[in-house]
Amino acid sequence: DTAVSQTPKYLVTQMGNDKSIKCEQNLGHDTMYWYKQDSKKFLKIMFSYNNKELIINETVPNRFSPKSPDKAHLNLHINSLELGDSAVYFCASSQDSNTGELFFGEGSRLTVL
Amino acid sequence: GNSVTQMEGPVTLSEEAFLTINCTYTATGYPSLFWYVQYPGEGLQLLLKATKADDKGSNKGFEATYRKETTSFHLEKGSVQVSDSAVYFCALRRNGATNKLIFGTGTLLAVQP
Repeated sequence: DTAVSQTPKYLVTQMGNDKSIKCEQNLGHDTMYWYKQDSKKFLKIMFSYNNKELIINETVPNRFSPKSPDKAHLNLHINSLELGDSAVYFCASSQDSNTGELFFGEGSRLTVL
Repeated sequence: GNSVTQMEGPVTLSEEAFLTINCTYTATGYPSLFWYVQYPGEGLQLLLKATKADDKGSNKGFEATYRKETTSFHLEKGSVQVSDSAVYFCALRRNGATNKLIFGTGTLLAVQP
């Protein structure tokens, strides 16, 4: 009964490939996020959706495209992968967009060779 | 701009030692402040929070007091356990703003038996 679940947990791929990471939350939350954690554990927000509407879009290469088919799902598609994209990507959700109480998934470790 | 500064890690302590992890912030207005914890191989979990000056957040023996005069939110625990070994993140969210949680760089705590 994982509250925020991401797949896959590990992803190893070659430069130039396209890959997707999926996220689902069963908490009934309205808001979902993607964060990127680099090798030094620094966390940076990438995107946030509230009820399927994009509300935060940080300075991220346009190779990254989020999609929210419904408010329980937020997927991340990455085109033309580069070495620097190697990181752990965390999905998170919150009750609404006015709280700092986020619930995180376990992360998806992406390694680009 | 809004930012969070945490003490550099790693912090290495013996079991039952006293813990302090320093956190200071820069923000316009009156932000809400949070401590999140990330155990090895897991996503972040909210540890405690404080939403206004002089509030004290507490959970699992950890405490932090929102100090407006020193713009600080230091994390303390009187007696750490091996199971407290994790990375601790201080974070802020500016009230009323589009929900963007800004994290510090994280502090690794290693508790030795």
